[in-house]
Amino acid sequence: AQSVTQPDIHITVSEGASLELRCNYSYGATPYLFWYVQSPGQGLQLLLKYFSGDTLVQGIKGFEAEFKRSQSSFNLRKPSVHWSDAAEYFCAVGLYGGSQGNLIFGKGTKLSVKP
Amino acid sequence: DSGVTQTPKHLITATGQRVTLRCSPRSGDLSVYWYQQSLDQGLQFLIHYYNGEERAKGNILERFSAQQFPDLHSELNLSSLELGDSALYFCASSVRSGGGDTDTQYFGPGTRLTVL
Repeated sequence: AQSVTQPDIHITVSEGASLELRCNYSYGATPYLFWYVQSPGQGLQLLLKYFSGDTLVQGIKGFEAEFKRSQSSFNLRKPSVHWSDAAEYFCAVGLYGGSQGNLIFGKGTKLSVKP
Repeated sequence: DSGVTQTPKHLITATGQRVTLRCSPRSGDLSVYWYQQSLDQGLQFLIHYYNGEERAKGNILERFSAQQFPDLHSELNLSSLELGDSALYFCASSVRSGGGDTDTQYFGPGTRLTVL
């Protein structure tokens, strides 16, 4: 069955430090992969997406992610974290084909930023 | 702002009651998806409509139903509510469905349902 695993429930980093959030997926076909961010009390905002082509994708707010097929991973990175990045981050895989089009989400990683 | 609107923002009701959540997709989007976010289950797909037709069902209870109207807005109906139905309900929309850039889903702000 398709699944998405985010191994880290909660991560704390210092402001200005680099960040990497891990995501592993299980999916039989070519995956469509997404990262969304949810600030407290807010909806989900799309950070970036991978459909095909270049395996390093750039997103909004200075985030990037790298698709590694051999490792079934799609890790999110940011070189220098800002206090406003504190939020919950969700990795998702799109189930496409036939009439399907829904997303399977990981459990999320909550990011705290120390001043 | 994603362009997807959901009403109401908050809803407080009692067990056994019925509520209707409303979603208006982005202009031009034909697909509407409903998701439930709860502390124990995380974000779970409920149901997908495309241009008025049901396309896929996920973990949606029989007490829940949805529809998409000719103007493409969608409603999620929750009946015989239980305490465990308390959650954040998101609607998302995309241009089409089936793969590709046109299937990027944009989420609304959600409706927080509290069942007392």
